[in-house]
Amino acid sequence: GEDVEQSLFLSVREGDSSVINCTYTDSSSTYLYWYKQEPGAGLQLLTYIFSNMDMKQDQRLTVLLNKKDKHLSLRIADTQTGDSAIYFCATTVIKAAGNKLTFGGGTRVLVKP
Amino acid sequence: DSGVTQTPKHLITATGQRVTLRCSPRSGDLSVYWYQQSLDQGLQFLIQYYNGEERAKGNILERFSAQQFPDLHSELNLSSLELGDSALYFCASSVGGQGAEAFFGQGTRLTVV
Repeated sequence: GEDVEQSLFLSVREGDSSVINCTYTDSSSTYLYWYKQEPGAGLQLLTYIFSNMDMKQDQRLTVLLNKKDKHLSLRIADTQTGDSAIYFCATTVIKAAGNKLTFGGGTRVLVKP
Repeated sequence: DSGVTQTPKHLITATGQRVTLRCSPRSGDLSVYWYQQSLDQGLQFLIQYYNGEERAKGNILERFSAQQFPDLHSELNLSSLELGDSALYFCASSVGGQGAEAFFGQGTRLTVV
């Protein structure tokens, strides 16, 4: 079945770059997403990439996709304390019958001043 | 603010009871998804509705049911509640049934005592 894996924890110093990694098993994944969850809050869609792309950049966020290795990463440049949160990788396979997101377990990012 | 509204924000109820969670999707979105977030299971897809019809089903228990009404709001009904049903329940919406971007509400935190 579908599976999405992430490392549990990442600690980074303010101003440095953060890289959060994700691996997935379903090679037919069509869209791959990054969501952010702050304490007590919902899931905020940060960015997503279509499976025929290798890279997408959106301000401080860069998403890299390696389809051969089924590896997705999110790079946050100039990490700020406000970036401390749990980051979820998710994939979806678009089907005529509908689509669902399959989430990883989340990576808790702690930004130290 | 994602534009997806969930009520109530918090719910405390006893085992064996029944509760209804409500979701109003973003204006213009036809598709509604329900997810459960718990400490042991992570984020799990429950069910998807598109324009009033069930489109995809995930790990939804038989004690749980959902529907989407003509005005496109959705309700998730949880019955015969058990302690293990305590979780954060998220609703998300997207424009189409195969939408690339799904926007999440703030969630309803259910505590079963």
